Amino acid sequence: DTEVTQTPKHLVMGMTNKKSLKCEQHMGHRAMYWYKQKAKKPPELMFVYSYEKLSINESVPSRFSPECPNSSLLNLHLHALQPEDSALYLCASSPFYQALRYGYTFGSGTRLTVV
Amino acid sequence: GDSVTQMEGPVTLSEEAFLTINCTYTATGYPSLFWYVQYPGEGLQLLLKATKADDKGSNKGFEATYRKETTSFHLEKGSVQVSDSAVYFCALSDNSGNTPLVFGKGTRLSVIA
Repeated sequence: DTEVTQTPKHLVMGMTNKKSLKCEQHMGHRAMYWYKQKAKKPPELMFVYSYEKLSINESVPSRFSPECPNSSLLNLHLHALQPEDSALYLCASSPFYQALRYGYTFGSGTRLTVV
Repeated sequence: GDSVTQMEGPVTLSEEAFLTINCTYTATGYPSLFWYVQYPGEGLQLLLKATKADDKGSNKGFEATYRKETTSFHLEKGSVQVSDSAVYFCALSDNSGNTPLVFGKGTRLSVIA
């Protein structure tokens, strides 16, 4: 299994809603990442988990709350989002935090629309 | 810090044309270099990579050679197809292990029949 699976593929939520994005990988990777991608822009790093511990938080607003319940799962909890948070949210994984020669394996993303 | 610079797009080519997308980088030490492709509505897929100077990465007819002397990793394909229309991202990994993957801004390629 060489995939990163993200669910749901599409999500529409109101500004007062609470929702969660889910990411799963079974490649034995010990580093997982959340990225945000706006249209016609490169992905922007949000969070890095290494061995289920939060290693990097790129000054992301607290309305985004990551969680890594185990080495295969990564969640992103969303609460009180703003319309400008509408974007493609990408999950990725790599064998270790250091991408080194491996690069990252990306999921297909969740297209989030905040109304 | 480390950075990647890609040629500005969009690039529009006719089917079977030759493709070059320029990528240069700034990094300390000897980074690994990657090309990712993003098809419309999808996530990023690793297209090819090179981990040391003079290495050539190749996949699906695409090639790129790691040139340390010019700090470049240009993507090439001899004959593009309509199905190659996508956004291409050049990226580097600092092999010191201190920073995550660094992406260029992306180059949008449109291939017309």
